[in-house]
Amino acid sequence: DTEVTQTPKHLVMGMTNKKSLKCEQHMGHRAMYWYKQKAKKPPELMFVYSYEKLSINESVPSRFSPECPNSSLLNLHLHALQPEDSALYLCASSQDKTDFNEQFFGPGTRLTVL
Amino acid sequence: GQSLEQPSEVTAVEGAIVQINCTYQTSGFYGLSWYQQHDGGAPTFLSYNALDGLEETGRFSSFLSRSDSYGYLLLQELQMKDSASYFCAVRSDNNAGNMLTFGGGTRLMVKP
Repeated sequence: DTEVTQTPKHLVMGMTNKKSLKCEQHMGHRAMYWYKQKAKKPPELMFVYSYEKLSINESVPSRFSPECPNSSLLNLHLHALQPEDSALYLCASSQDKTDFNEQFFGPGTRLTVL
Repeated sequence: GQSLEQPSEVTAVEGAIVQINCTYQTSGFYGLSWYQQHDGGAPTFLSYNALDGLEETGRFSSFLSRSDSYGYLLLQELQMKDSASYFCAVRSDNNAGNMLTFGGGTRLMVKP
């Protein structure tokens, strides 16, 4: 299984809502990543988890809260978002944090904040 | 910090060869990767160069010159399905883990 899955595919939320994005991989990868991608722009790294511990937080606002319950799952909890947070949120994984050769990306969650 | 420059758009015809260039500035270079992303899809890994030279994988090849801080992706025998965005990316390592920084992306349009 060389797949990263993400749910939901689409999410519309108001600025006062609380929601969560989910990501799952069963490749035995020990590093997982959250990226944000705006239309016609490259992915921008938000968080890196290595062996279920947060190792990189790219100065992301606290309204985004990542969680790694186990080595296969990665969540992104959303609260009090702003309309400018509307974007495609991509999850990725790699064998470990030192394995640069390939990151496997999920299909993303397209988030719209009203 | 890191910065990568690549053309924003390239157009070519089916069966042709196209080269997408990428120049980078980075502190601490570990390698250059290329990713393909179709509209509405996820980025998928194409290639990785850590050393100078050409790496060939089927119709796609990637080249790196570390002395010139330059690389390119070469796509041969273009097919309509190759229409996509192509991103070069460099790795930086801040001891907390490896991070990919992506270039702005090159939108390739293949015409019949």
